[in-house]
Amino acid sequence: DQQVKQNSPSLSVQEGRISILNCDYTNSMFDYFLWYKKYPAEGPTFLISISSIKDKNEDGRFTVFLNKSAKHLSLHIVPSQPGDSAVYFCAAKLGSARQLTFGSGTQLTVLP
Amino acid sequence: DVKVTQSSRYLVKRTGEKVFLECVQDMDHENMFWYRQDPGLGLRLIYFSYDVKMKEKGDIPEGYSVSREKKERFSLILESASTNQTSMYLCASSFSSGDGYTFGSGTRLTVV
Repeated sequence: DQQVKQNSPSLSVQEGRISILNCDYTNSMFDYFLWYKKYPAEGPTFLISISSIKDKNEDGRFTVFLNKSAKHLSLHIVPSQPGDSAVYFCAAKLGSARQLTFGSGTQLTVLP
Repeated sequence: DVKVTQSSRYLVKRTGEKVFLECVQDMDHENMFWYRQDPGLGLRLIYFSYDVKMKEKGDIPEGYSVSREKKERFSLILESASTNQTSMYLCASSFSSGDGYTFGSGTRLTVV
């Protein structure tokens, strides 16, 4: 049973527009969330994170929003660029646990 | 920069073979992880280790074992490879339970 879900396997967006990637989780004890980006033939790289005590974290073009009551987080990319085309994974961590639980990923394609 | 190195980018093995996937990190990280990535399933945790000779099962440990004889090296072993173990295998490390991961570039294993 997947505890972290990304229900959209793919998303296409025009260059310059906003990309919104969504992630839902079922375990209300998760208290730290991360987004990773993965290009083909490379390992995932860390993008941005958010603690459960916050509802928003921003880093340049990337903003993550957390809605704890809905158990939902989203990643906004503004403006989207062709180089953002990649698979995006949402991940969650439980307290002092060492491991992350990942979603199934969303393939973002930014069209020039 | 932290570097996580996986010894092989591509491997082709025969059913029933014993397979070793090697991972080395160069930043004295406590924690090391093995995930597999499959389409539609995302990243699933196979095993992780938080210290030398210590290991913990992840979500899908069946058919796999691990070895951590030195802090910097974490090996994944397929005792008798099967075709359903054809996958992308990703190694990762982290310094402490509060940190995100650094991933290696992955090993694409095909079992024929």
